Amino acid sequence: AQSVTQLDSQVPVFEEAPVELRCNYSSSVSVYLFWYVQYPNQGLQLLLKYLSGSTLVKSINGFEAEFNKSQTSFHLRKPSVHISDTAEYFCAVMNTGFQKLVFGTGTRLLVSP
Amino acid sequence: DADVTQTPRNRITKTGKRIMLECSQTKGHDRMYWYRQDPGLGLRLIYYSFDVKDINKGEISDGYSVSRQAQAKFSLSLESAIPNQTALYFCATSGGTADNEKLFFGSGTQLSVL
Repeated sequence: AQSVTQLDSQVPVFEEAPVELRCNYSSSVSVYLFWYVQYPNQGLQLLLKYLSGSTLVKSINGFEAEFNKSQTSFHLRKPSVHISDTAEYFCAVMNTGFQKLVFGTGTRLLVSP
Repeated sequence: DADVTQTPRNRITKTGKRIMLECSQTKGHDRMYWYRQDPGLGLRLIYYSFDVKDINKGEISDGYSVSRQAQAKFSLSLESAIPNQTALYFCATSGGTADNEKLFFGSGTQLSVL
């Protein structure tokens, strides 16, 4: 079975500051890793994913995450956040042999002016 | 039009009532899922279906049932609703030829059980 831990339930940050949202996972088998974002009153959207290859993956809106197998982590970072990045961010893991997605509890990113 | 459509968007019901949440998709995906979202708990999988004849329980299936009426339709039923089933419910699909592992979510159904 897989599990995901997001220790920070809420991260407040000022606009243009850097941010890191932490994610650790547990699995006895190989996994795919994902970050999904949920804007207010909307469903979830895929932000970025790690399947294989380069351990650093990037989104089109400036976020990036690095897969660290030894630390079983997949932290999300952005060097300079915008007000529009205010949302809830979910880390998720999927067994490569079984298409069932397991989510973490989410981190609410609050960007203020 | 949305690719994954959930109806209703909001529902208020009373304890003991039977209620059905519906999900339809135009993406042609084989796989469909039902999740519930609770504050501080993230999303938890209720049921999932990999094709019309395949139904599987997720981590919190007690008190729920599902029906996969067609490839495009996957409904979730609460046989006798109780207050702790108050939550935001999401339907999702996956399984296209590209991005096979990516889930596409509906806009959610907010259910309140009084």
